[in-house]
Parts: sequence; structure tokens; C-alpha cells
Amino acid sequence: GESVGLHLPTLSVQEGDNSIINCAYSNSASDYFIWYKQESGKGPQFIIDIRSNMDKRQGQRVTVLLNKTVKHLSLQIAATQPGDSAVYFCAESPNQAGTALIFGKGTTLSVSS
Amino acid sequence: SQTIHQWPATLVQPVGSPLSLECTVEGTSNPNLYWYRQAAGRGLQLLFYSVGIGQISSEVPQNLSASRPQDRQFILSSKKLLLSDSGFYLCAWSVESSAEKLFFGSGTQLSVL
Repeated sequence: GESVGLHLPTLSVQEGDNSIINCAYSNSASDYFIWYKQESGKGPQFIIDIRSNMDKRQGQRVTVLLNKTVKHLSLQIAATQPGDSAVYFCAESPNQAGTALIFGKGTTLSVSS
Repeated sequence: SQTIHQWPATLVQPVGSPLSLECTVEGTSNPNLYWYRQAAGRGLQLLFYSVGIGQISSEVPQNLSASRPQDRQFILSSKKLLLSDSGFYLCAWSVESSAEKLFFGSGTQLSVL
């Protein structure tokens, strides 16, 4: 089964609100985490990543927070826009040779005007 | 710059027919290559990954196979498709020796009828 999961399968917000998408992981040895955005019918696009030696990283309108104590990852989107509507996936790298990213099930973000 | 091409975008195939999906990467050498499958409303399931020509690792036993005849070409095949093979197939690449940030193709929507 998947070792990375998300707390909520769907999230609905109003345009202009801040969105927080959560993710829990189970492998304490994972040292790299990444968020992807997937629009309908398209491949996932990279949003932001973070290494385990950090607890916060900011991009343009997005922030990723990592809490290694409780093995929790979150993606914060500021001033959410309708174009942010998509499925968001977190993924972890287990820090083992010969392995690939492990993805969670995804959270569908719906932004209404 | 690096680009990844995946085709076809959509495919409808009868049960028992063969399958060949192709993926090519440009602008990089010795990439790691991946095939993922995404069922409707689900996360990404790793099917195969390759660290070099002729080197294929299978993550899920099934009637699919993968081949890497050239450094930047990755092919997903089946001799006889099953209904359960329907899904969204994604090819991805990462830089050599890294299983971290993946760059995805645009995907192939396969419907087996």
C-alpha cells in the first residue's frame, strides 16, 4: 500500500482565501518531499519541494511545511485563485537506492468565485 | 531545456489486443525513466522504472512490460490487454542517480473495452 496519505480527499474554498492541504507520511527515513499539481487530463506539475533538514520553504504564493516529529507535510496556497483548482499530490522519497517517489492519493481543491 | 514526449494522448483498445505506449525525453542524458498508472480518482501507482538502457525494475506484477531500447526512450507494452488495464498512464523522468524530482509527460488515457 501507499505510505503517503492525505487527510482530506476534497477541499472547497472561496477565491481569495488561503488553502491548506495536508499530508501524512509513515516512513521516518524519508528525506525529501514534494508537492505536485495535476489538472484534469494532464500530467502532474512540480510545485515545491523540501528536504528533511528544513521545516519550511516558500515559493510564489505557496509554502510547504514539514513537521518531522509527527511526520506531517502541508501545502499552503495564499490568495487561492480559480486557476488553482486541481488535484494536489504529496510524495516522499524513501532515501533508499533503487526506489522512486511514493505518492499519496491526492486532494481535489475546488475554488469558487 | 529538457522536454518529455508521450503518445498517444488517448487510446481505446479492445480486450485481448496488444499495447504499445512510447515516451521519449530530450535535452538530457542518462535519465531515470518511469511509468506510472493512475486509476480514476486515485493516486499514482509506480509500474516500472529504469536507470539505464535495458535495465528495468518492475514494481507491480501484471501483464504489462517495459523496455528501454535507447537511452531516452521508454516503452510500455502488453501482449493482451485486460479491462483492468484501463487508466491514465504517465511517463516521467528524473536526473541520473536521483529518484527525487520527477518531470511528467502529458499522459495517455487508455480505455480497454
